[in-house]
Amino acid sequence: AIQMTQSPSSLSASVGDRVTITCRASQGIRNDLGWYQQKPGKAPKILIYAASSLQSGVPSRFSGSGSGTDFTLTISSLQPEDFATYYCLQDYNYPLTFGGGTKVEIK
Amino acid sequence: QLQLQESGPGLVKPSETLSLTCTVSGGSISRSSYYWDWIRQPPGKGLEWIGNVYYSGSTDYNPSLKSRVTISIDTSKNQFSLKLSSVTATDTAVYYCAGRHYDILTGYDGFDIWGQGTMVTVSS
Repeated sequence: AIQMTQSPSSLSASVGDRVTITCRASQGIRNDLGWYQQKPGKAPKILIYAASSLQSGVPSRFSGSGSGTDFTLTISSLQPEDFATYYCLQDYNYPLTFGGGTKVEIK
Repeated sequence: QLQLQESGPGLVKPSETLSLTCTVSGGSISRSSYYWDWIRQPPGKGLEWIGNVYYSGSTDYNPSLKSRVTISIDTSKNQFSLKLSSVTATDTAVYYCAGRHYDILTGYDGFDIWGQGTMVTVSS
């Protein structure tokens, strides 16, 4: 199975900060990667698909980049509603595998 | 707009079989652009993909669970189901059903529909 290593596991940031989360795959996965946001007690919500395509309805402050093994999720200006846990997911092959998650907390 | 709702027992005894059903509303489960998946999340931990079923009945499973998992689909009821046998405390988790939308023409591939999740505790 492809391992997805996500970093950092947590971070503290202030409203307005630029935040970057990275995900590394144990082997090349082309651009077959998505980013999901999960708030406490809620199901995950898709933000980005195909590494860099913004899901309809998701604010443009979210962006994704990368291909092959290294990927990045960037929040250009952190908003109060963005404090959550973020997961990457490779959908290159089965079994689908998630990164360990990054919890974004208020500084 | 498609919606998903999980149902099933919230408490299962060790060594027994966990059974959950996901009901799809707002559209047909028999659409070629969706796979129907189960994903779980132990308390305070990350997400684990369990497996999926296509409307044709074909399935894919996580090898880590494959010997214990069966996912099936009932198109007449617009439902798909999960069975996990020989459960232990490590199977305690929130179980989500989700729809993975796959469109080769647009390049879209992602879980754009989720149920609210159902907590299943394995305990005697």
